[in-house]
Amino acid sequence: EDKVVQSPLSLVVHEGDTVTLNCSYEVTNFRSLLWYKQEKKAPTFLFMLTSSGIEKKSGRLSSILDKKELFSILNITATQTGDSAVYLCAVPAQGGSEKLVFGKGTKLTVNP
Amino acid sequence: NAGVMQNPRHLVRRRGQEARLRCSPVKGHSHVYWYRQLPEEGLKFMVYLQKENIIDESGMPKERFSAEFPKEGPSILRIQQVVRGDSAAYFCASSPRSRSYNSPLHFGNGTRLTVT
Repeated sequence: EDKVVQSPLSLVVHEGDTVTLNCSYEVTNFRSLLWYKQEKKAPTFLFMLTSSGIEKKSGRLSSILDKKELFSILNITATQTGDSAVYLCAVPAQGGSEKLVFGKGTKLTVNP
Repeated sequence: NAGVMQNPRHLVRRRGQEARLRCSPVKGHSHVYWYRQLPEEGLKFMVYLQKENIIDESGMPKERFSAEFPKEGPSILRIQQVVRGDSAAYFCASSPRSRSYNSPLHFGNGTRLTVT
């Protein structure tokens, strides 16, 4: 069965800290891995990763994929209180299915 | 461009009542996906529809739950005879075509269903 495991489940840091969020996955016929940020409402898309070793970057956020070890990390540098959210990782299910399999998320709290 | 619109934002139902959740996809999108999120959990896939057709309902409970996406109008997720365990946030997403994994899903703001 397809599986996505995120760690840690929650994390509390101070503004300015750097954080690394982890996502490991088990899926047959890997196609891509996606990161989303969820505040109080809709998950908003951050990154889609398909190739190992290529870092995707957007401002203070960056992410990289390791297809050999079956994991991805999401880095946030110089954290701000606005980064407080749940960060979700997902992979498309096996077998050509259209559905995404999500992890439980990492709840990040950034304190001033 | 309006994104995916869901209503109502909050819905309270007593046990045994029916809940109807609506999702208007982005204009021109003919593919709709419904996900459910229980407290402290990630999103769980429920159903994938194209206009007038259910393509994959493997994540939807066999009883009490149904979904439709008519030719005209929003997609509807219907839960009959709700129970407390149905309390969750229900999210909808749409796309213009079946995902080729090059275009990520974009979600609506969700409907938070509370069953009392």
